[in-house]
Amino acid sequence: DTAVSQTPKYLVTQMGNDKSIKCEQNLGHDTMYWYKQDSKKFLKIMFSYNNKELIINETVPNRFSPKSPDKAHLNLHINSLELGDSAVYFCASRGTSGRYNEQFFGPGTRLTVL
Amino acid sequence: GQQLNQSPQSMFIQEGEDVSMNCTSSSIFNTWLWYKQDPGEGPVLLIALYKAGELTSNGRLTAQFGITRKDSFLNISASIPSDVGIYFCAGQSGNQFYFGTGTSLTVIP
Repeated sequence: DTAVSQTPKYLVTQMGNDKSIKCEQNLGHDTMYWYKQDSKKFLKIMFSYNNKELIINETVPNRFSPKSPDKAHLNLHINSLELGDSAVYFCASRGTSGRYNEQFFGPGTRLTVL
Repeated sequence: GQQLNQSPQSMFIQEGEDVSMNCTSSSIFNTWLWYKQDPGEGPVLLIALYKAGELTSNGRLTAQFGITRKDSFLNISASIPSDVGIYFCAGQSGNQFYFGTGTSLTVIP
């Protein structure tokens, strides 16, 4: 029943490692997002895909690479993890038909880089 | 990316009190949204506003889209303990969503 799901919920890893976070939505939405929430709770957009096409790419290190195999999935791969990458990463999806612009967020993935 | 100014940063109130928080931006938006985030969860949409001057309610919550399109406020009436959380405003411009700095609400029973 979960509308937007993310795995894993928690991710603890060593500096320099490569890791992936997966996101899936079952809402039939066309647009998906990745956000980063830092320790001060600031929510900042990182990427957005519409129908598997990248439409927003904020100033994010190229160690972060999103991949959208299909409309329902948007995964985030991070290479050479750094201490500053520690944060909570949220996936979100949004329907783009009609007037409504509601974003539905996933439960988040807490990444801790040691 | 743009960050919206949200105030107050935190609030400690007694159960039953009313709460008011606001959000301002240097840019105009076509849509304003208010979210609530519980600990360990993602933000959940509370109210969406689509027209300048619009006043919308959702139970004890009332939000308004400022006439200038650069601000919005959220009121919570008769607060209850489960109102505890972080409230975020967000302005939408095209496919972009810009979030406020958040207001942390604590309700004392």
